[in-house]
Amino acid sequence: NAGVTQTPKFRILKIGQSMTLQCTQDMNHNYMYWYRQDPGMGLKLIYYSVGAGITDKGEVPNGYNVSRSTTEDFPLRLELAAPSQTSVYFCASSTSAELLGDTQYFGPGTRLTVL
Amino acid sequence: SQKIEQNSEALNIQEGKTATLTCNYTNYSPAYLQWYRQDPGRGPVFLLLIRENEKEKRKERLKVTFDTTLKQSLFHITASQPADSATYLCALRQPNAGKSTFGDGTTLTVKP
Repeated sequence: NAGVTQTPKFRILKIGQSMTLQCTQDMNHNYMYWYRQDPGMGLKLIYYSVGAGITDKGEVPNGYNVSRSTTEDFPLRLELAAPSQTSVYFCASSTSAELLGDTQYFGPGTRLTVL
Repeated sequence: SQKIEQNSEALNIQEGKTATLTCNYTNYSPAYLQWYRQDPGRGPVFLLLIRENEKEKRKERLKVTFDTTLKQSLFHITASQPADSATYLCALRQPNAGKSTFGDGTTLTVKP
């Protein structure tokens, strides 16, 4: 299993540009998450999904959009990029089985710079 | 909303000593608490999970305790090694919630 894969690894955007960060998992997990991590800080939840067709806002959703059309994919869309969105973005997935306690498996991250 | 505080300062210890990291939370008790390890430039990796009805969990050199009265979890690494140097994150999951809340992490450096 590849686990959670993210593309691209790095990206530089100009202010006002848009892009989609891709995330795919092959573990058949129902739950998927998008986090951002600023330097020296913890993970802030942007959006999450508990299953295909269901998404919900996290702590810092402004400026982002998501969709979940399949179990495997959970893309994150940035519209009108701003310097404040410069960060490292992590996608994660977990099973819905409470017995396993929502253990999250993280992707390698996308480092985004907005200039 | 849930607020989580981890050791505010980085932790530096000598090889062979026991490292103890703290995770304090406010408001309601989580259904369970997790500890993750994060190396520079990488995503977090799950280490241990402890449930609200458990006092202690062990895995090799790692030990986690959970005190719901103090609203605190302690994470211990015994016989620490330089390879244990990393940032350690705690995460709390509320009952019936589809998401967890992460702390800012504590950076541990183990010196040879």
